[in-house]
Amino acid sequence: AQSVTQPDIHITVSEGASLELRCNYSYGATPYLFWYVQSPGQGLQLLLKYFSGDTLVQGIKGFEAEFKRSQSSFNLRKPSVHWSDAAEYFCAVGTSGGSYIPTFGRGTSLIVHP
Amino acid sequence: NAGVTQTPKFQVLKTGQSMTLQCAQDMNHEYMSWYRQDPGMGLRLIHYSVGAGITDQGEVPNGYNVSRSTTEDFPLRLLSAAPSQTSVYFCASTAMGGQYFGPGTRLTVT
Repeated sequence: AQSVTQPDIHITVSEGASLELRCNYSYGATPYLFWYVQSPGQGLQLLLKYFSGDTLVQGIKGFEAEFKRSQSSFNLRKPSVHWSDAAEYFCAVGTSGGSYIPTFGRGTSLIVHP
Repeated sequence: NAGVTQTPKFQVLKTGQSMTLQCAQDMNHEYMSWYRQDPGMGLRLIHYSVGAGITDQGEVPNGYNVSRSTTEDFPLRLLSAAPSQTSVYFCASTAMGGQYFGPGTRLTVT
């Protein structure tokens, strides 16, 4: 079975600084990978996804993520963080040939200082 | 196009009571799922469905029941509520491109 690890429970950055949120997965074949964002009191919104092809994936709100098979990682990045990016971020992994219902990591809470 | 809707938004139950959380989607997706979200635990899959009449258990199915009589609806039933079921519940509708989540139901069991 697949699993996802988000090593950082909390990340604090200053507004305007760059951001990288880490995600490592465990799965034997090529996974489907997702990043979701959850603002306080809201549901989850899909930021970006990787299925195949180019390993650098662009998403909404200026986010991007890079799939590195050798490191089993799918880290999320943003060059300049805005205060409105403060939220909970979840990495998820799905499996090819499966039910397209992914397994989620425990999340990373992003705090943005002015 | 409402996407995924959930009712109620908030609910307080006493231990032993039963209730049904409603979920509906209007995107004609075959796959639907229920998650619970607890602090520090991420989202854990309770039950899922790959089409009308077909359901299966997820990671934490105990104490919950589901059915899928139509493509649109996927209700979650709590059979006998326990304090351990205090949580935020999310329903999701899945296409290959990702999942679409409802706004959630915050359930408190006293």
